[in-house]
Amino acid sequence: AQTVTQSQPEMSVQEAETVTLSCTYDTSESDYYLFWYKQPPSRQMILVIRQEAYKQQNATENRFSVNFQKAAKSFSLKISDSQLGDAAMYFCAYRVTTSGTYKYIFGTGTRLKVLA
Amino acid sequence: NAGVTQTPKFRVLKTGQSMTLLCAQDMNHEYMYWYRQDPGMGLRLIHYSVGEGTTAKGEVPDGYNVSRLKKQNFLLGLESAAPSQTSVYFCASNSLSNYGYTFGSGTRLTVV
Repeated sequence: AQTVTQSQPEMSVQEAETVTLSCTYDTSESDYYLFWYKQPPSRQMILVIRQEAYKQQNATENRFSVNFQKAAKSFSLKISDSQLGDAAMYFCAYRVTTSGTYKYIFGTGTRLKVLA
Repeated sequence: NAGVTQTPKFRVLKTGQSMTLLCAQDMNHEYMYWYRQDPGMGLRLIHYSVGEGTTAKGEVPDGYNVSRLKKQNFLLGLESAAPSQTSVYFCASNSLSNYGYTFGSGTRLTVV
């Protein structure tokens, strides 16, 4: 069964510094998609970045980038130049494809605190 | 473009009461999902639907029922609420693309 593990319940970073959130997953599929979602105090789930497993190049969205290590089944999120608005829960997610149906499995989340 | 709309946003129920959560999307998405979010457990899939008139069980379906009579709506029902169902419930939808879920804003349900 596919699983997603976020081993860091909470992380802190100084404003303007860089932080990396860890995510590992388990799968027997060769082609899949991975996502990072942000949940600020407003509770809204916001897609931060996604990665296709068949692409070797790591995805980047402005200050957010991933380090995708397919062989190690690792998908970490790097936030550069951290801002106070980055404070949130971050969830890693894996998209399962079963009989043509898409489902997403989420990790337990990492709470990121940004210190001024 | 409203995206995914969940109603209500907050609700308090007494044990044994019933209620229905409504999820509506205006993006013509085929897939719709109900998740619950609990501290330390992330989001867990309750039920999902791959199209109008179809539903399937997720990871934690017990105590919930769903219906998808119209493509744009996905209803989650609690027939006899229990304190263990106190949670934040999220609806999400997805097309057959690879761009991730669109989420509703969540419903905070407290069962006392």
